[in-house]
Amino acid sequence: DAGVIQSPRHEVTEMGQEVTLRCKPISGHNSLFWYRQTMMRGLELLIYFNNNVPIDDSGMPEDRFSAKMPNASFSTLKIQPSEPRDSAVYFCASSLARTGGLLISNTEAFFGQGTRLTVV
Amino acid sequence: AQSVTQPDIHITVSEGASLELRCNYSYGATPYLFWYVQSPGQGLQLLLKYFSGDTLVQGIKGFEAEFKRSQSSFNLRKPSVHWSDAAEYFCAVGNSGGYQKVTFGTGTKLQVIP
Repeated sequence: DAGVIQSPRHEVTEMGQEVTLRCKPISGHNSLFWYRQTMMRGLELLIYFNNNVPIDDSGMPEDRFSAKMPNASFSTLKIQPSEPRDSAVYFCASSLARTGGLLISNTEAFFGQGTRLTVV
Repeated sequence: AQSVTQPDIHITVSEGASLELRCNYSYGATPYLFWYVQSPGQGLQLLLKYFSGDTLVQGIKGFEAEFKRSQSSFNLRKPSVHWSDAAEYFCAVGNSGGYQKVTFGTGTKLQVIP
């Protein structure tokens, strides 16, 4: 398996421009996470999907951020308009959520290599 | 709310020496606990995890961690460090029921000197 694939690896954009980050999770995984990593705040969970449905988006910083998962093999994180403070490394991760009756639990998450975003 | 504390921001050890990285968590029930390693410019790789059962967990690359409920700790250990272990290490806690939300610590950067 190729693992979680993110693109692009690096993105440099001007303030005010739209930025789209892409993620292909591991085949067969049904949970997908977007994280942001900065020196100041460490690793922050932005949004979590299960079976393509957003479950928890409480970490999305503001309305400029949006995420979609149109199918099980693709997700996007969009920032519009971008600002210099959005500069960070954005990670996508996927895992397999197992169901046991009404209880759903995840196994460990597998991370992509990240997208380093620089907004100038 | 769940949280993780890694009190050591940076640790330097000599190659061949033993290593212990500290992790304390806060969670009301039995947590899911993880240690991840991140090499420069790379994503996070899982070293080991604790979900239940034996409190001493073995992981990859010769690492182990021990879950101590009484101390709310999940410290990572390695008996003999190699230069290739230089990286940043993250402890993480996940809730044990329902949709899992994983919270990461701020990381400990490990430097290995000859």
